[in-house]
Amino acid sequence: EAGVAQSPRYKIIEKRQSVAFWCNPISGHATLYWYQQILGQGPKLLIQFQNNGVVDDSQLPKDRFSAERLKGVDSTLKIQPAKLEDSAVYLCASSFQGETQYFGPGTRLLVL
Amino acid sequence: AQSVTQPDIHITVSEGASLELRCNYSYGATPYLFWYVQSPGQGLQLLLKYFSGDTLVQGIKGFEAEFKRSQSSFNLRKPSVHWSDAAEYFCAAQYGNKLVFGAGTILRVKS
Repeated sequence: EAGVAQSPRYKIIEKRQSVAFWCNPISGHATLYWYQQILGQGPKLLIQFQNNGVVDDSQLPKDRFSAERLKGVDSTLKIQPAKLEDSAVYLCASSFQGETQYFGPGTRLLVL
Repeated sequence: AQSVTQPDIHITVSEGASLELRCNYSYGATPYLFWYVQSPGQGLQLLLKYFSGDTLVQGIKGFEAEFKRSQSSFNLRKPSVHWSDAAEYFCAAQYGNKLVFGAGTILRVKS
């Protein structure tokens, strides 16, 4: 069974630029999550989707971050404009019915 | 607020020695509990999970964890550590829809 796929794996941008990350969850998993992991910390939930609807986006900085899951499968997370403090690993995870989450390899973002 | 505490930021053990990583979750209804491992440059891999039932759970790579309700703890153990176990370990608790992570413990293995 294929795992959670993410791309790109690494991204370096200048501050105030925009960037987008893509995630393809495990087949059949209805719930998709985006996490931000800052160096030295545990992952922090940014947004949770159930199919193509948002369940929880209370920790998403909506002035600069947006996410969508239009067809209930793939998802895209966008940052516009990026700030230095957005440098982090962005992890995507999926689960079948909201119990066990399986994580992708992450996208490492460096904002200069 | 719901929280997970991993008291040890770094732990160093000798190869072949036993290992215990500590984890405490905030008091309340017992959440679902998880341990994940993250190798450098990688995502999080699930080691084991506890939902209910037997309080000693077995995971992959020879790891086990014991749930102790009285101590609000879910400590991870391994009887004999291998050099390949060097990584960062995260304890997590699921409260309703939300998975809350500890800050992680970095394990170093010395030969």
